[in-house]
Amino acid sequence: NAGVTQTPKFRVLKTGQSMTLLCAQDMNHEYMYWYRQDPGMGLRLIHYSVGEGTTAKGEVPDGYNVSRLKKQNFLLGLESAAPSQTSVYFCASSPVRTGTADTQYFGPGTRLTVL
Amino acid sequence: SQQGEEDPQALSIQEGENATMNCSYKTSINNLQWYRQNSGRGLVHLILIRSNEREKHSGRLRVTLDTSKKSSSLLITASRAADTASYFCATVPSYGKLTFGQGTILTVHP
Repeated sequence: NAGVTQTPKFRVLKTGQSMTLLCAQDMNHEYMYWYRQDPGMGLRLIHYSVGEGTTAKGEVPDGYNVSRLKKQNFLLGLESAAPSQTSVYFCASSPVRTGTADTQYFGPGTRLTVL
Repeated sequence: SQQGEEDPQALSIQEGENATMNCSYKTSINNLQWYRQNSGRGLVHLILIRSNEREKHSGRLRVTLDTSKKSSSLLITASRAADTASYFCATVPSYGKLTFGQGTILTVHP
């Protein structure tokens, strides 16, 4: 049971390049999330998904797109990377969404630098 | 804006001492959670306290919740060097998603 895994662990992009970050979970969780973490800002929600084939915007969605074609995978895409997207990206999943219990399980993170 | 705000931003103590971190939030919540993040790693869930609970224990962790003051505290007793990490509170408001504070950086000196 690997939990939540993220690929790649590190990446350096030039401004304008595109890339996709992959998140995979083997816990059969319905809900998946993408966050970015910046110094002094805590974690901010980019996009999330409440099930296969569904996605929704979070707090900071601009410049990112996501897809959830399979329940176990959640992809985060940057179509035209900008230096402001330099950050550490975390994926998370959670088993239920009852409003009373949203414990999330996090991946190890992807450190992205945009030059 | 962040729902939860931790205080202090940084805390430095000696091994064996207790560490107390506080979290304040703005709107009503269903539950409040505490997470730990070791340097360069993802967040790990520590404990969840529901809005109708006042105190909860898990090993050396003690969490309190005061909904009238919209605040929570995390106490780590008999701290160890391995407790060195960032600690985040996260709130689940009745209307929305898990929202994280900016975190408290705890350093425990051996």
